[in-house]
Amino acid sequence: SQTIHQWPATLVQPVGSPLSLECTVEGTSNPNLYWYRQAAGRGLQLLFYSVGIGQISSEVPQNLSASRPQDRQFILSSKKLLLSDSGFYLCAWSVTVGYEQYFGPGTRLTVT
Amino acid sequence: AQKVTQAQTEISVVEKEDVTLDCVYETRDTTYYLFWYKQPPSGELVFLIRRNSFDEQNEISGRYSWNFQKSTSSFNFTITASQVVDSAVYFCALSVVMNTGFQKLVFGTGTRLLVSP
Repeated sequence: SQTIHQWPATLVQPVGSPLSLECTVEGTSNPNLYWYRQAAGRGLQLLFYSVGIGQISSEVPQNLSASRPQDRQFILSSKKLLLSDSGFYLCAWSVTVGYEQYFGPGTRLTVT
Repeated sequence: AQKVTQAQTEISVVEKEDVTLDCVYETRDTTYYLFWYKQPPSGELVFLIRRNSFDEQNEISGRYSWNFQKSTSSFNFTITASQVVDSAVYFCALSVVMNTGFQKLVFGTGTRLLVSP
């Protein structure tokens, strides 16, 4: 069966510090991968998606970047965090477009 | 605009009551998919159902049922005999075809369901 992991689970970082969140998927090959952000009391906003190694598409221009160095690894990064980067970050995968996405446990980021 | 509207921000019921969560969508795509997800307090989104736009049959899974009506652009979710464990935020989502040909999910803002004993 497929599983998706995210770490860390929680993170408190000062403004201006770098960020690296990691997501890995097990039990499937060449998945579509996604990064979402959920602000408090809000819906989910798609940040990045990837259909293959090295292929990253950005939905919303911002202070973040993503990379996919391996087939089942997806990394969300920032060089300098802003207060507005605080939120709940969710990684997801799907077999193909149009199909359901399966989400990881999420990382709760607080920028102070 | 392609979007999902969940007008109910929060619903409170007593255990064993039936409850319906509303979802209205707008899309210009002729083929699309609709989804429901559950987000318990732990935060992880749990997939509940996917419905193809060509399939308007209602679906039942245990205490859960879904009513898809293209005529009203609605995809409502009913929980029968609610239980405390049903307390969560529920999201409705719509697949949207992007300029790149890729499909993404557009989520509603969610409905928080509180089931009290």
